[in-house]
Amino acid sequence: DGGITQSPKYLFRKEGQNVTLSCEQNLNHDAMYWYRQDPGQGLRLIYYSQIVNDFQKGDIAEGYSVSREKKESFPLTVTSAQKNPTAFYLCASRRTGGRGYTFGSGTRLTVV
Amino acid sequence: DAKTTQPNSMESNEEEPVHLPCNHSTISGTDYIHWYRQLPSQGPEYVIHGLTSNVNNRMASLAIAEDRKSSTLILHRATLRDAAVYYCILRDDSPNAGGTSYGKLTFGQGTILTVHP
Repeated sequence: DGGITQSPKYLFRKEGQNVTLSCEQNLNHDAMYWYRQDPGQGLRLIYYSQIVNDFQKGDIAEGYSVSREKKESFPLTVTSAQKNPTAFYLCASRRTGGRGYTFGSGTRLTVV
Repeated sequence: DAKTTQPNSMESNEEEPVHLPCNHSTISGTDYIHWYRQLPSQGPEYVIHGLTSNVNNRMASLAIAEDRKSSTLILHRATLRDAAVYYCILRDDSPNAGGTSYGKLTFGQGTILTVHP
């Protein structure tokens, strides 16, 4: 079945460390997105990419970086510059011209 | 993206219909109304979307007011698996959306739906 796979499901990071969250899709979707969700809050956009080798900052990009070397993959790196990285991270994709978005099951990152 | 207003929470009994309201008084002519739902510790799931006419699919129905300033998501027979946070989102899907056409979804707080057995 086609879908989006995020890994790992749970991730613990020490302060000052960079960590990379994986997002892979086999839906042949062109656009991919990273969102962050804090407890009791809605989702906020971190980065998005409409095509390979191109990506744009969302509303809260500071302290994060991404790459889009392959259509299927859109990894997110949480750097040490992100002051409050503990959150639930969600990856999504969308077919160009499509209305609906497909979300992954998320990665819960905790800084210890 | 235009803002939406939803009740913080609603309750329903199993196998009864549920009507989830959403107000969007500042909606523009090219804004589509999207509904997503999110189960605990999972990613949001697409439910339905519409522009002007009422829409039906296997999951739900979407009733859109004639002036488009409000809409209602209808679950015809609630089940325990429908307990989730439901988000009503406006998005400009028009071809001429220009810089906004990258597909951003602006999520509000949503409505927490509790379904009682």
